Amino acid sequence: KAGVTQTPRYLIKTRGQQVTLSCSPISGHRSVSWYQQTPGQGLQFLFEYFSETQRNKGNFPGRFSGRQFSNSRSEMNVSTLELGDSALYLCASSLGQGTSYEQYFGPGTRLTVT
Amino acid sequence: AQSVTQLGSHVSVSEGALVLLRCNYSSSVPPYLFWYVQYPNQGLQLLLKYTTGATLVKGINGFEAEFKKSETSFHLTKPSAHMSDAAEYFCAVGRSGNTPLVFGKGTRLSVIA
Repeated sequence: KAGVTQTPRYLIKTRGQQVTLSCSPISGHRSVSWYQQTPGQGLQFLFEYFSETQRNKGNFPGRFSGRQFSNSRSEMNVSTLELGDSALYLCASSLGQGTSYEQYFGPGTRLTVT
Repeated sequence: AQSVTQLGSHVSVSEGALVLLRCNYSSSVPPYLFWYVQYPNQGLQLLLKYTTGATLVKGINGFEAEFKKSETSFHLTKPSAHMSDAAEYFCAVGRSGNTPLVFGKGTRLSVIA
């Protein structure tokens, strides 16, 4: 089975721009979670989608948004980029909703904001 | 609210020596506990998890962890370190219901030849 894929792997954007990141879960997985990883803050939960609905949201500003499609693929969008948004963005998929299900992580998208 | 504390942001061991990475958690309800490993430029890979049942959990690559409720700990061990174990390790806590995983800050493991 193919693993979780994330595109693009690397991205450089300028302050004020917006960006869309994509995540394709493992086949059959219906839940997708997004995390932001930075050296200072570590891994922070952004949001979780299950069956095209946002089920949980972390403590991030409204500039961070996401969606999930009927095939479980997910996208996250960051508008009006700030320097502090530079991070590794990780997506994880699981069979079901909630932490009792194992999460399988993709390789991440490295976003650099200049 | 749940939280995770990983003692030591960097641990260095000699090849063949015991690996011990410490994790303490805080949770008001029975926790689910996880250890993940992250190699450079890669995502996280699940090493092992505890949900219910046996408190000594065996994972991949020879790692194991023991859930100690009285100490609120879930330390990760491996009897003999290998060079390929050099990576960053994350402890995480979850629980039943609609709550996300909470990760510790991570411990970078170096293995010296």
